[in-house]
Amino acid sequence: DAGVIQSPRHEVTEMGQEVTLRCKPISGHNSLFWYRQTMMRGLELLIYFNNNVPIDDSGMPEDRFSAKMPNASFSTLKIQPSEPRDSAVYFCASSPPPSGGLSNEQFFGPGTRLTVL
Amino acid sequence: AQSVTQPDIHITVSEGASLELRCNYSYGATPYLFWYVQSPGQGLQLLLKYFSGDTLVQGIKGFEAEFKRSQSSFNLRKPSVHWSDAAEYFCAVGARSNDYKLSFGAGTTVTVRA
Repeated sequence: DAGVIQSPRHEVTEMGQEVTLRCKPISGHNSLFWYRQTMMRGLELLIYFNNNVPIDDSGMPEDRFSAKMPNASFSTLKIQPSEPRDSAVYFCASSPPPSGGLSNEQFFGPGTRLTVL
Repeated sequence: AQSVTQPDIHITVSEGASLELRCNYSYGATPYLFWYVQSPGQGLQLLLKYFSGDTLVQGIKGFEAEFKRSQSSFNLRKPSVHWSDAAEYFCAVGARSNDYKLSFGAGTTVTVRA
């Protein structure tokens, strides 16, 4: 299995520009998560999708951030307009359906390192 | 809501020596517990997990962790570290009532000296 795929791996952009991060979850997984990692705040959950439906977006910082999951194999996280404080590593993770009544672990992609100048 | 504390920000250990990373959680019932490792420039990889049953859990790369309910702890151990174990380690806790959401600790960076 290829694992969770994220693109691009690195993104450098200027303040005010639109940024789109992409994620392909592991086939068969029905939960998808977007996280942001910074030195100051550690790992923060931004949004969680289950069966392509956003379930919890309480971690999305503000209206400049939006996420979509048009189908089971693709998700995007968009920042418009971007600001320097958005600089961070953004991770996508996916998780298979619970088995035996127990939740399953999350499988992380390699991340996208975003720098906003 | 659940939370995790990793008391040690940075640990340095000699190659071949034993390693123990501390993790304390706060949650009113039996949680789901995880240890992840993050190598530089990489995503997080699951080392091991505890859901129920045997409180001593074996993971990949020779790691193990022990769930101690009385101490609200889930410490990670390895008897003999290798230089490739240098990485950042994250403990995470999930609530059974809200089982998709994981709370991560701040992480412990492990440096291995020759």
